[in-house]
Amino acid sequence: DGGITQSPKYLFRKEGQNVTLSCEQNLNHDAMYWYRQDPGQGLRLIYYSQIVNDFQKGDIAEGYSVSREKKESFPLTVTSAQKNPTAFYLCASRARSGNTIYFGEGSWLTVV
Amino acid sequence: GIQVEQSPPDLILQEGANSTLRCNFSDSVNNLQWFHQNPWGQLINLFYIPSGTKQNGRLSATTVATERYSLLYISSSQTTDSGVYFCAGGNGGYNKLIFGAGTRLAVHP
Repeated sequence: DGGITQSPKYLFRKEGQNVTLSCEQNLNHDAMYWYRQDPGQGLRLIYYSQIVNDFQKGDIAEGYSVSREKKESFPLTVTSAQKNPTAFYLCASRARSGNTIYFGEGSWLTVV
Repeated sequence: GIQVEQSPPDLILQEGANSTLRCNFSDSVNNLQWFHQNPWGQLINLFYIPSGTKQNGRLSATTVATERYSLLYISSSQTTDSGVYFCAGGNGGYNKLIFGAGTRLAVHP
């Protein structure tokens, strides 16, 4: 089945450690996005990418990094510079010719 | 940037009731979408509706672009409709979507 796969679903890390969240899609979509959601809040855009080897900062990019080496993959690294990394992270994608955005199931990151 | 305001923030319904959710935008958008987030966190796209009216089963949506608002109607609500409803808007082809804070809906049997 086509879709967006995020892993891991749950992740616990110690403060000061970098962590990478995986996002893979087999929908042949050009655009990919990373959003952050805090409890009881809406989604905020971290980074987005329109094509391979290109990405732009969203509204809350500080403390995060991404890469887009393959069309199917858009991993997000939460660095130790991110002040409050505990959150729910959602990856999404959209086709070049489409308007609808599709989401993965999300990854829960807890930093202790 | 664009500001998105959703109302009401919380809504409790008895099964079978109808409801209307509203989304206001601070500026014009040419990409407007409604999403449902289930209790497990999964976000599902309900409508892409930059203008006009669309219907899908018990759900329908209307966007009045000139007045910068959109409405989501839920008729004959069911317990499975519970969750959080988000609207999001943006401009341009690949440009980012700005999300509202959501409306939290609980439908009781």
